[in-house]
Amino acid sequence: DVKVTQSSRYLVKRTGEKVFLECVQDMDHENMFWYRQDPGLGLRLIYFSYDVKMKEKGDIPEGYSVSREKKERFSLILESASTNQTSMYLCASSLVRGRTEAFFGQGTRLTVV
Amino acid sequence: KNEVEQSPQNLTAQEGEFITINCSYSVGISALHWLQQHPGGGIVSLFMLSSGKKKHGRLIATINIQEKHSSLHITASHPRDSAVYICAVEETSGSRLTFGEGTQLTVNP
Repeated sequence: DVKVTQSSRYLVKRTGEKVFLECVQDMDHENMFWYRQDPGLGLRLIYFSYDVKMKEKGDIPEGYSVSREKKERFSLILESASTNQTSMYLCASSLVRGRTEAFFGQGTRLTVV
Repeated sequence: KNEVEQSPQNLTAQEGEFITINCSYSVGISALHWLQQHPGGGIVSLFMLSSGKKKHGRLIATINIQEKHSSLHITASHPRDSAVYICAVEETSGSRLTFGEGTQLTVNP
C-alpha cells in the first residue's frame, strides 16, 4: 500500500515563526500536493510539484513556499506564520499526471498563536 | 458559483438505509474522485472514475459525463460509514483536483 506520511499530527507555533511541514511518500510518485482545509471552504491547493525541484503555485500560495529536493519528500514552509494560517494541512501524492488515484497523508493540524 | 457542487451538505440516516450523495460539476474533466474523511483528518480515496459505474462492497459510484453529474451510493448503511464524503474532479486542462465542500454523513444505530 502507498503510504503518505506527514511529520506531525498537531503543531502549535507562535506568530512570526518559520514553520516546516514535511511530507514523505514511499511509492515513487511523480506528483505531490499541499492543501489546506478550512470549514466551509473545503480543500484548497497551495502548491504542487510534478518532479524533483519543480513547483507550481496553486490557488492560495501567498505566505507559503515549498521545497522538493528529493522525489519522495515535499516540504511546505510558512515563512512567517500568522494566525490566519491556522488550519488543517494535507499532503497528497499521485503516480501519473492526471488519471491516477491520489493518496493523502493523515493531515497536520496547525495552530498559530 | 463553485466548479464542484455537492448535495446535501449534511445527511443523517438510520442504520440500514440506502444513501445517495450527489456531485455536479461545471468544467470538462478527465476523472472524478470520491474521497472519505473520518474525524481526525485522514482522507481515503474510495473511487476514481471517468465513465459508467464502479462498485466496491456496499459503495457504488456512478458518473454521467454528458450531464456532468456523479452519485455515490451506500447500501445498507452502518454507523461506521459516518464521515465526510468529498467529490473532486481532475480538469482536462491538468491534473489538479478541484474539490467540493463535502457531505457530512451521520448514520445512527
